[in-house]
Amino acid sequence: DAGITQSPRHKVTETGTPVTLRCHQTENHRYMYWYRQDPGHGLRLIHYSYGVKDTDKGEVSDGYSVSRSKTEDFLLTLESATSSQTSVYFCAISDGVLETQYFGPGTRLLVL
Amino acid sequence: KQEVTQIPAALSVPEGENLVLNCSFTDSAIYNLQWFRQDPGKGLTSLLLIQSSQREQTSGRLNASLDKSSGRSTLYIAASQPGDSATYLCAVPPITGGGNKLTFGTGTQLKVEL
Repeated sequence: DAGITQSPRHKVTETGTPVTLRCHQTENHRYMYWYRQDPGHGLRLIHYSYGVKDTDKGEVSDGYSVSRSKTEDFLLTLESATSSQTSVYFCAISDGVLETQYFGPGTRLLVL
Repeated sequence: KQEVTQIPAALSVPEGENLVLNCSFTDSAIYNLQWFRQDPGKGLTSLLLIQSSQREQTSGRLNASLDKSSGRSTLYIAASQPGDSATYLCAVPPITGGGNKLTFGTGTQLKVEL
């Protein structure tokens, strides 16, 4: 398995609180991605990064921000969590823009 | 906007059967197509990546085909085993909008029974 870890793996929080999810890789891959997976919607891209401090929006970026200060870490922040952000969040990495993406184990987030 | 459809949504087969999973996409301007496997409560595992210039890609008992002109890909699993039980997802990176912005299908949930 590609060296990708996500933390925390599970989190319960309340509406209106800030939440930060962390993705850490040991593969030195340039590209990192955040997806959310919801029943009926499948996997949807939130944000991605193409290098340190270089990020761009995906399909469902509203309400989320990201940061990448080091090659190995990609943070996803929910500034003020809402119940609609209850989901399973996956981080992925790839070595090139058209290369296979490798996924982390996921973080289950419940916003009450 | 690229739309990816996988039919059927669920499939149950007896062990040993050969089976085909289908993936359809609306925009044929793609760089490649990827097939993934997802076990319950787990992340995705990459199975095969077919470049747009290729017609087939094989890995063990898995064979994926791609017909860009008709907007279809199939994943063929030979001699299915209970360990093949999982959800199978296809994904495409459209040429317009960035090659790394994968659009996923909603998957086919496969159960292989003893």
